[in-house]
Amino acid sequence: GNSVTQMEGPVTLSEEAFLTINCTYTATGYPSLFWYVQYPGEGLQLLLKATKADDKGSNKGFEATYRKETTSFHLEKGSVQVSDSAVYFCALTDRDDKIIFGKGTRLHILP
Amino acid sequence: NAGVTQTPKFQVLKTGQSMTLQCAQDMNHNSMYWYRQDPGMGLRLIYYSASEGTTDKGEVPNGYNVSRLNKREFSLRLESAAPSQTSVYFCASSSQGFNQPQHFGDGTRLSIL
Repeated sequence: GNSVTQMEGPVTLSEEAFLTINCTYTATGYPSLFWYVQYPGEGLQLLLKATKADDKGSNKGFEATYRKETTSFHLEKGSVQVSDSAVYFCALTDRDDKIIFGKGTRLHILP
Repeated sequence: NAGVTQTPKFQVLKTGQSMTLQCAQDMNHNSMYWYRQDPGMGLRLIYYSASEGTTDKGEVPNGYNVSRLNKREFSLRLESAAPSQTSVYFCASSSQGFNQPQHFGDGTRLSIL
């Protein structure tokens, strides 16, 4: 079946560091891929998405490229801020309109 | 813009008690979902409703029931609460189509003693 694997956390970085959170997937067909972010005490919010191979999703300085050849959708940001501290979830949707989430990666940014 | 509204935000129950978690969305979405979030487990789908009048089991449906009351509302019921159901519960909605993003409520934090 479909699945999403993302790197274990927590990830701790200093402010202004470069961020990469790895995400790989297995899927039949051509899923859409998403990154969601969850701030403390809140629900998940869509951060960015990509719907076909080689698409790049971007938002708030974050980027991720849909790589079909490596089945990956890694999240990157060039310079993180303390306010980026949150839990990040990689996800895919399948044809049944369900979404499959990774287990989440907690990110701590130190000032 | 309310989006997805969940009530209550917090609840403590005793083992064996029943309760219903309420969810309403004002975005005219067709699909609605209930998830639970546990430490180290990510989000797991309990039940979903692809459209008004239909409901289907997700990954962890045992011990739960759902009702799609109308297009706006999707409730989750625990008939006889157990400590293993202590979790944070999230409701979400999306428009039709498998590549559409989901919109989440802020969650209900439920403790079963």
